Amino acid sequence: QSVLTQPPSVSAAPGQKVTISCSGSSSNIGDNYVSWYQQLPGAVPKLLIYENNDRPSGIPDRFSGSKSGTSATLDIAGLQTGDEADYYCGTWDSSLSAVVFGGGTKLTVL
Amino acid sequence: QVQLVQSGPEVKKPGASVKVSCKASGYSFTRYGISWVRQAPGQGLEWMGWIAVYNGHTDYAQKFQGRVTMTMDTSTDTVYMELRDLRSDDTAVYYCARLRPYYYHMDVWGEGTMAAVSS
Repeated sequence: QSVLTQPPSVSAAPGQKVTISCSGSSSNIGDNYVSWYQQLPGAVPKLLIYENNDRPSGIPDRFSGSKSGTSATLDIAGLQTGDEADYYCGTWDSSLSAVVFGGGTKLTVL
Repeated sequence: QVQLVQSGPEVKKPGASVKVSCKASGYSFTRYGISWVRQAPGQGLEWMGWIAVYNGHTDYAQKFQGRVTMTMDTSTDTVYMELRDLRSDDTAVYYCARLRPYYYHMDVWGEGTMAAVSS
C-alpha cells in the first residue's frame, strides 16, 4: 500500500484536460513540497513538476500542479497521444524521514 | 551535460548481495544528494533511500533498513548502493536520481540497472 493515494487510471480524449489527484496526510503533503514524475512506456521516470507547481525547463505549460492542504493535483491540458504514460506524485514524509510515492496513475488518451 | 551513469545488469542468487554504482558528471557533485528508487516488473516506483553527498548522511526506507547501504566516493563522483540477502522479489530495475536536499525532488535520473534474483 502506497502512503500517497492516486487513482489507478484516468482517461480522456485528445485535446481535453485531465486531472490526477494525489492524497496524503499532514506529515507528507501537508508539510512538504510535492513533485510529479512522468514515466513513458519503457522509459526512465522524468521530473514533470517540482515544489508543487514549478516546471523544469523543457516541460510544456500544458502540465501544471497545485497543492491544497494534504492533497495535490496534476493537470494536463490539451492532451496528446504522446502523453500516455504512468504519472507518480512524490513528497517527503517528515514522520517516516523518507520520500514517499503514490502508486501511480496510468493515463490513457482515447 | 548533467548525467548519471549506472553500472550494468546483474544476475544474483537468493541470499547474495548486489552493488550498483552511479557516476555523476556535469554538475557540482557535493551540492546534491543521490536517491535510489527501484521498480519491480509491472509495478510502481519504490524509494529505497538517499545519501547526502555533502556530508554522507543517509536515510533509508524502513523496509530496507538493515539490508541496504549507500556509500559515496567523492574522488570519482560515484555513489554506490548495496542490497544484501537478496530475495526473488528484489528483482527490479534500480534507478539512481539526483535529489535536491530539503525539497526532495529528483530531477536527473540514471538509465536504470536491472537486477534479477533467481536460483
